[in-house]
Amino acid sequence: KNEVEQSPQNLTAQEGEFITINCSYSVGISALHWLQQHPGGGIVSLFMLSSGKKKHGRLIATINIQEKHSSLHITASHPRDSAVYICAVRFMNYGGSQGNLIFGKGTKLSVKP
Amino acid sequence: EPEVTQTPSHQVTQMGQEVILRCVPISNHLYFYWYRQILGQKVEFLVSFYNNEISEKSEIFDDQFSVERPDGSNFTLKIRSTKLEDSAMYFCASSGVEEKLFFGSGTQLSVL
Repeated sequence: KNEVEQSPQNLTAQEGEFITINCSYSVGISALHWLQQHPGGGIVSLFMLSSGKKKHGRLIATINIQEKHSSLHITASHPRDSAVYICAVRFMNYGGSQGNLIFGKGTKLSVKP
Repeated sequence: EPEVTQTPSHQVTQMGQEVILRCVPISNHLYFYWYRQILGQKVEFLVSFYNNEISEKSEIFDDQFSVERPDGSNFTLKIRSTKLEDSAMYFCASSGVEEKLFFGSGTQLSVL
């Protein structure tokens, strides 16, 4: 069964803390996306990964294909990072379309000043 | 950065009515998608569209739903006869060859 699990569900941090959000999936994947959903509802793509590690500013995303696990790290967190972070996966056995994704439930991050 | 635009931002309709949600994808993108998110739940894939036809659809995308790219710029989602359970935020997205998804800001559909 194609499943995506995220942890933690909720995360509260103090400004400046290092944050890690985890995503695990059940079977082989073609691609994994990290998305940010703002309080108003809009969704922004942060990373698309199929292997290794990507970095953009204070954000780092890693994926371990053997362990079926990905992490999103935020260094020097800031209140503006407060949002819901969503892991979404394209499973190998699920379809060929780029956007045919299974989404996690999201991790709600709140960064306090 | 280029944007995907969706209209309207909010739509209220009576059960049984038809609604059309509109999207303008990024101009040089080739792949278009609709997703929905029921309040408090996960985002769910509805349909993907490529080369003027549906390439994949989920179990949610039944005969009440249809998509169209009528004029080469707009991409629409039609719900023929809305049900209470269709109330959700609907997101349009597009992508090019690089597979990064660009999402619109969503249309909040309320069916009364």
